[in-house]
Amino acid sequence: SQTIHQWPATLVQPVGSPLSLECTVEGTSNPNLYWYRQAAGRGLQLLFYSVGIGQISSEVPQNLSASRPQDRQFILSSKKLLLSDSGFYLCAWSGQGTYNEQFFGPGTRLTVL
Amino acid sequence: GESVGLHLPTLSVQEGDNSIINCAYSNSASDYFIWYKQESGKGPQFIIDIRSNMDKRQGQRVTVLLNKTVKHLSLQIAATQPGDSAVYFCAENKALDSSYKLIFGSGTRLLVRP
Repeated sequence: SQTIHQWPATLVQPVGSPLSLECTVEGTSNPNLYWYRQAAGRGLQLLFYSVGIGQISSEVPQNLSASRPQDRQFILSSKKLLLSDSGFYLCAWSGQGTYNEQFFGPGTRLTVL
Repeated sequence: GESVGLHLPTLSVQEGDNSIINCAYSNSASDYFIWYKQESGKGPQFIIDIRSNMDKRQGQRVTVLLNKTVKHLSLQIAATQPGDSAVYFCAENKALDSSYKLIFGSGTRLLVRP
């Protein structure tokens, strides 16, 4: 069966510090991968998606970047965190094709102070 | 513009009763919808999906109804249990260049009273 991992589970970082969140998927090959951010009490906003190694598409301009160095590894980064980067970050995967549900990881709670 | 929204932010039901969570969408071209359940501090969990060529789909204790005429989606939970307490999101599937994205509503919090 497929599983998706995210780490760390929680993170507290000072403003201006770098960020690296990692997501890995097991049990599937060539998945589509997604990064979402969720503000408190709100829905999910898509940040990045990837259909293959090295292929990254950004949905919204922001202080973050993403990379996919391996087929089942997706990384969310920032060089300098802002207070507004605080939130709940979720990684998700789906199969190729249109009618495929997305499966979410456990999330990372990021607090920027 | 496109949007997926929910009518009620919070729904409180008695344990054992049926729950109905509603969702409105604005993109008439949308052809795939998903309901997710999110417990506090966790990632969303897939509940059930429906394609636009269907009006109704049933799962275990859950039913999704799709009314394309009024662009309305609902999730019905039968015999609601305490474990059903969570935030429920409907999501609309929109095609991207080589993938697709989910447009989420703001969510409805379901509270189950013992």
